[in-house]
Amino acid sequence: DTGVSQDPRHKITKRGQNVTFRCDPISEHNRLYWYRQTLGQGPEFLTYFQNEAQLEKSRLLSDRFSAERPKGSFSTLEIQRTEQGDSAMYLCASSSEGWPNEKLFFGSGTQLSVL
Amino acid sequence: ILNVEQSPQSLHVQEGDSTNFTCSFPSSNFYALHWYRWETAKSPEALFVMTLNGDEKKKGRISATLNTKEGYSYLYIKGSQPEDSATYLCARGQNFVFGPGTRLSVLP
Repeated sequence: DTGVSQDPRHKITKRGQNVTFRCDPISEHNRLYWYRQTLGQGPEFLTYFQNEAQLEKSRLLSDRFSAERPKGSFSTLEIQRTEQGDSAMYLCASSSEGWPNEKLFFGSGTQLSVL
Repeated sequence: ILNVEQSPQSLHVQEGDSTNFTCSFPSSNFYALHWYRWETAKSPEALFVMTLNGDEKKKGRISATLNTKEGYSYLYIKGSQPEDSATYLCARGQNFVFGPGTRLSVLP
């Protein structure tokens, strides 16, 4: 297994365009998380899936953001009508264990730049 | 404390020095406390997960302690090496609410 993979690594888009990112978790992991990270800050929780069910979504997340995990395997994160404030690193992580030993395995992230 | 806080924000030490950082978090409804290391150009990697008040974990030269009653955790690095240079993140809870991190630079 090659770990969590994210695609693309970098995305440059113009304000107002829609973008979609993909995350492929470690194959046996049933939990999948999306985070956003900006310079000088830690990863900010966006949403979380257990298998195909989206169990929690950050209250801070705009309606322009949506995530899916249709078959409980890969996940997509879509941002509609991008704004310059959406520029950030978008990180995906997966895990297989629950409390007390849950440990996240992160992908390399997708760096989004909105011009 | 409403959010996860970390101090200091950044730290420069000489090779061989020992150092420590602090993670502060809301003490109510405690679930778990995690430490991650994030090296430049790599992905964050898990160091420790701690769940019980008084927990102490150790991995090589790195160790961590947990006080859930007062809401803090310390991460210690003994005899810092240049390869320890990274951002150290702590995260609280079931959804891994992360702090802003402590950026450590170890100078040779």
